[in-house]
Amino acid sequence: AQSVTQLGSHVSVSEGALVLLRCNYSSSVPPYLFWYVQYPNQGLQLLLKYTTGATLVKGINGFEAEFKKSETSFHLTKPSAHMSDAAEYFCAVSGGGSARQLTFGSGTQLTVLP
Amino acid sequence: GAVVSQHPSWVICKSGTSVKIECRSLDFQATTMFWYRQFPKQSLMLMATSNEGSKATYEQGVEKDKFLINHASLTLSTLTVTSAHPEDSSFYICSARDPGGGSYEQYFGPGTRLTVT
Repeated sequence: AQSVTQLGSHVSVSEGALVLLRCNYSSSVPPYLFWYVQYPNQGLQLLLKYTTGATLVKGINGFEAEFKKSETSFHLTKPSAHMSDAAEYFCAVSGGGSARQLTFGSGTQLTVLP
Repeated sequence: GAVVSQHPSWVICKSGTSVKIECRSLDFQATTMFWYRQFPKQSLMLMATSNEGSKATYEQGVEKDKFLINHASLTLSTLTVTSAHPEDSSFYICSARDPGGGSYEQYFGPGTRLTVT
């Protein structure tokens, strides 16, 4: 079984400020972890993923995330927020099984203030 | 990169009718496709896993007779909402897994907005 908890359904930051979106997971097997972004009425776009290897992963649009096994966390960060970053962000975990289904967190709505 | 399309992007139908949504992987062969449902301001809920050439595996609580899934080829899966009712109105998103990718990454379609009147 696997699950994802995203702390904070809404996060507001000022333009140029640090973005930190929190994600904790549980998985009975070594997880694959993903962050997706969703703009209104659109599908999901992959920001970054962790599978194996380096625990700090860099994604698109200046985002990065660090896999911390001891903390079962995969928080998403960006040093300087841009207005275009305003969107819904989903953390997801893929566990075992041949299908490797994704389990999504509840999402975090990021607002960027001018 | 891998591209997944959905058609239609939005559809309005009358209560009691059926509607079909198509999901296509455009530049790769997808042995496995997934169908999700998303209510406003909520997360994605997995409805079913579709494997090419075999029956779909439905998640608990999803009516297989209402949500018919067919994965007849390696690039096409369809979701048919039968005898639609207003409570079936939702945003339906499909994804396709590229078996050539070692991380089993899923590529998502743009979604289909279904409104049942």
